[in-house]
Amino acid sequence: GAGVSQSPRYKVAKRGQDVALRCDPISGHVSLFWYQQALGQGPEFLTYFQNEAQLDKSGLPSDRFFAERPEGSVSTLKIQRTQQEDSAVYLCASSTGLAGRTDTQYFGPGTRLTVL
Amino acid sequence: EDKVVQSPLSLVVHEGDTVTLNCSYEVTNFRSLLWYKQEKKAPTFLFMLTSSGIEKKSGRLSSILDKKELFSILNITATQTGDSAVYLCPIRGGSEKLVFGKGTKLTVNP
Repeated sequence: GAGVSQSPRYKVAKRGQDVALRCDPISGHVSLFWYQQALGQGPEFLTYFQNEAQLDKSGLPSDRFFAERPEGSVSTLKIQRTQQEDSAVYLCASSTGLAGRTDTQYFGPGTRLTVL
Repeated sequence: EDKVVQSPLSLVVHEGDTVTLNCSYEVTNFRSLLWYKQEKKAPTFLFMLTSSGIEKKSGRLSSILDKKELFSILNITATQTGDSAVYLCPIRGGSEKLVFGKGTKLTVNP
C-alpha cells in the first residue's frame, strides 16, 4: 500500500477485556515497530521486528502485551486483561530495514485505545 | 540511557512569525536525529540529520544539527495556521528504536 495502515482507528474496551490491534506496513518494508503514546507525551518504544523475527521487545510494559508478525508482513499487538493505564494511542511504523544510519521510519495513523 | 529534551514544550505565535524549536539529546552511538510533525495522530517525517553543520531545507522549514553540543533546531519561517502541530525530534542510537522527547506543541493563530 501507499502508507502504513492500522486498524481499528478507535477501540473502547472494558477493563479486563483482551484487544488486538493490527498494523499493515508499507509493502516490502522489512522492519516494523510498535510505539505507545500516552496523552501529552512522546511515543515510547514497545517492540521491533525484522521480517518475522521479534528482535527487541524490551519496551513491552508487562507480560500482558504480546506482539507477532508471523509472515513478516502484517503485525498484531495483543493486550490481555486490559487496564486503565493501557489507554493510549498505539502507533505502528515501518522502514526498509537497510543497514546504516539513514533508514527512516514511517508511521501509521495509530489506534486510540480507551479502557473504561 | 538515551534521552531527548525539547523546548519549549508549548508555543503560540501569529501567522507570519518565525519560530525556532529546540531539541537537545544524550545518546550513545549516535546514528541520526529525525524531525516529525504530528497532527492528530500520525507523525509525518520531515528531516533526517546525521552530520553536523549541514542544513536540511524544505520550503519554509529548515533544520540543522550540532553533534558537538548535542542539539538540533527546527526553524519555520512565515508560519501558517497549517503549521500548527506537535513537532517531535527522536534520536536513533545504538539500537533500531527511536527515542522521543515530549515534543513541542506549536499553535499558529491567524
